[in-house]
Amino acid sequence: DAGVTQSPTHLIKTRGQQVTLRCSPKSGHDTVSWYQQALGQGPQFIFQYYEEEERQRGNFPDRFSGHQFPNYSSELNVNALLLGDSALYLCASTGLPGQGSNTEAFFGQGTRLTVV
Amino acid sequence: AQKITQTQPGMFVQEKEAVTLDCTYDTSDPSYGLFWYKQPSSGEMIFLIYQGSYDQQNATEGRYSLNFQKARKSANLVISASQLGDSAMYFCAMRESGSGGSNYKLTFGKGTLLTVNP
Repeated sequence: DAGVTQSPTHLIKTRGQQVTLRCSPKSGHDTVSWYQQALGQGPQFIFQYYEEEERQRGNFPDRFSGHQFPNYSSELNVNALLLGDSALYLCASTGLPGQGSNTEAFFGQGTRLTVV
Repeated sequence: AQKITQTQPGMFVQEKEAVTLDCTYDTSDPSYGLFWYKQPSSGEMIFLIYQGSYDQQNATEGRYSLNFQKARKSANLVISASQLGDSAMYFCAMRESGSGGSNYKLTFGKGTLLTVNP
């Protein structure tokens, strides 16, 4: 059973460029969340997608946008990259509603984005 | 205000000994969940243990146990019989009930770097 997969694993972009990160959730999971983890910090919630809609959003600017596809996979897009966007971007998936609030989130290995 | 506080940036423990990693939290939501995740240098967050706010007993999962003190708003992780492979970053996280549906937002602490010495 494949877990959460993210691509690419590493990425180097130039300031001002745009980037797209991809995530496939764990089999059977329909909700995808994205997190940004700066060096030496805990992950920060960016947003969550369920039924192809953004359901919750953290304190991130509109330069951060996303999408969820009918097969539950998701993309994170960041426009007008800043040096401060350099971080590990983690995708997490969770199961169907009704499985209980103790359902843990399963994380991918992350995409390490470097903006130069 | 920080919702999750991990006051130990780094901890050292001898192999085979027990270690406690501290976590305090702040919420006004009566229904919440507390999680501990392990993050090795590879980057993936690995789920360790969960404690619900209404759970009467402290959670245990193998060598991991959670010392849940609700009145003190603390949820410390205890790792027994430490192994060299336990060396990693450990994050405490909280999920508040919030709105219904597929709400699933985790708030993380800054983490504790655990080093297990042989």
